[in-house]
Amino acid sequence: QKEVEQNSGPLSVPEGAIASLNCTYSDRVSQSFFWYRQYSGKSPELIMSIYSNGDKEDGRFTAQLNKASQYVSLLIRDSQPSDSATYLCAVNPNSGGYQKVTFGIGTKLQVIP
Amino acid sequence: SQTIHQWPATLVQPVGSPLSLECTVEGTSNPNLYWYRQAAGRGLQLLFYSVGIGQISSEVPQNLSASRPQDRQFILSSKKLLLSDSGFYLCAWTWTGATGELFFGEGSRLTVL
Repeated sequence: QKEVEQNSGPLSVPEGAIASLNCTYSDRVSQSFFWYRQYSGKSPELIMSIYSNGDKEDGRFTAQLNKASQYVSLLIRDSQPSDSATYLCAVNPNSGGYQKVTFGIGTKLQVIP
Repeated sequence: SQTIHQWPATLVQPVGSPLSLECTVEGTSNPNLYWYRQAAGRGLQLLFYSVGIGQISSEVPQNLSASRPQDRQFILSSKKLLLSDSGFYLCAWTWTGATGELFFGEGSRLTVL
């Protein structure tokens, strides 16, 4: 069973702090990695994708990938109350064609004003 | 631009009743289409995917079925609902050859009583 593991939280951080969300995956051949944000009662929204080892920055968000350790993380700088949501880590073992994306359970983030 | 819609948004059904959820995508051709279910406290579970008209693959054995009668239409059905079918059903699409980015519809929340 190919799995994606996340701590369900909640992770509470004060406004303005850095939120660090972590994810591990079991399938070594995984090629593509994603972070989705899901507000309560809403559908997931893609916020970051990363394909190679290292860091990828987009505004206040930084995704980090370490394939040797099978580890993906998401850093949110200057956290805002509007960042309060559940963050889903997702992994795709394929490089193209049909995408069998596997999701983690999600980490609930609470940003305290 | 591409959009995805699914309906109904909310429904309450008795055990043993039939189910039909519909999803349509606009602004693209030959998308890959997916049905996911998100049960309370659990991650997104892939139910069905389709790479073309009439082509359906099932990921888990269950009393649900899916059909793709048109290129941009995906339908999830059941002849007799079970209590365990309750959950948040999400339709998603991506383009052929993409690396795994998924774009979700608004979701359909099903409660089976």
